[in-house]
Amino acid sequence: ELKVEQNPLFLSMQEEKNYTIYCNYSTTSDRLYWYRQDPGKSLESLFVLLSNGAVKQEGRLMASLDTKARLSTLHITAAVHDLSATYFCAVDKNTDKLIFGTGTRLQVFP
Amino acid sequence: EADIYQTPRYLVIGTGKKITLECSQTMGHDKMYWYQQDPGMELHLIHYSYGVNSTEKGDLSSESTVSRIRTEHFPLTLESARPSHTSQYLCASSDRGGPPADTQYFGPGTRLTVL
Repeated sequence: ELKVEQNPLFLSMQEEKNYTIYCNYSTTSDRLYWYRQDPGKSLESLFVLLSNGAVKQEGRLMASLDTKARLSTLHITAAVHDLSATYFCAVDKNTDKLIFGTGTRLQVFP
Repeated sequence: EADIYQTPRYLVIGTGKKITLECSQTMGHDKMYWYQQDPGMELHLIHYSYGVNSTEKGDLSSESTVSRIRTEHFPLTLESARPSHTSQYLCASSDRGGPPADTQYFGPGTRLTVL
């Protein structure tokens, strides 16, 4: 059974600091997705990672994928308050169905 | 920009009522999904469809049912709502083989409260 774990579950960080969110999954998969969810809102697609070593960057967020280690990271550079949200990783079961991680609730404070 | 709509956005009803949550997308996507999400928790897939007249149950058991008579429409029905059904329901769609790699686009969600 495919399981997806994220850590940390909660992250409170100061503006301008850097931090990394980790996403581990238990079985082979070549597709990994990162989503953002603001409180009470729906999910917004951030990144799609399709192969080992893939790296995508958008603004202060950078995502990477290591399929051999079954690990993806979402790195935050010089955090700002607007990045406060819950971040989910999701792994494709190779059946067009996604298994979501538990989410990381990020709060950025001055 | 994805165009996927859900109605109602918020619904408060009494136990035993029949409800239908609507989901429509204007992108011509073949695949559609329903997820259930409790506040602050992960999403669980409850139903999915790969096309017209195709529906399957997801990983989380649900008393709801779905139909897919038209490509753009994927309604979810609860015949008799109970307080345990209180949750947020998110609809999503994706394009078979479309870029970027079957990314699922989500609707705004329906927040259901059963009293």
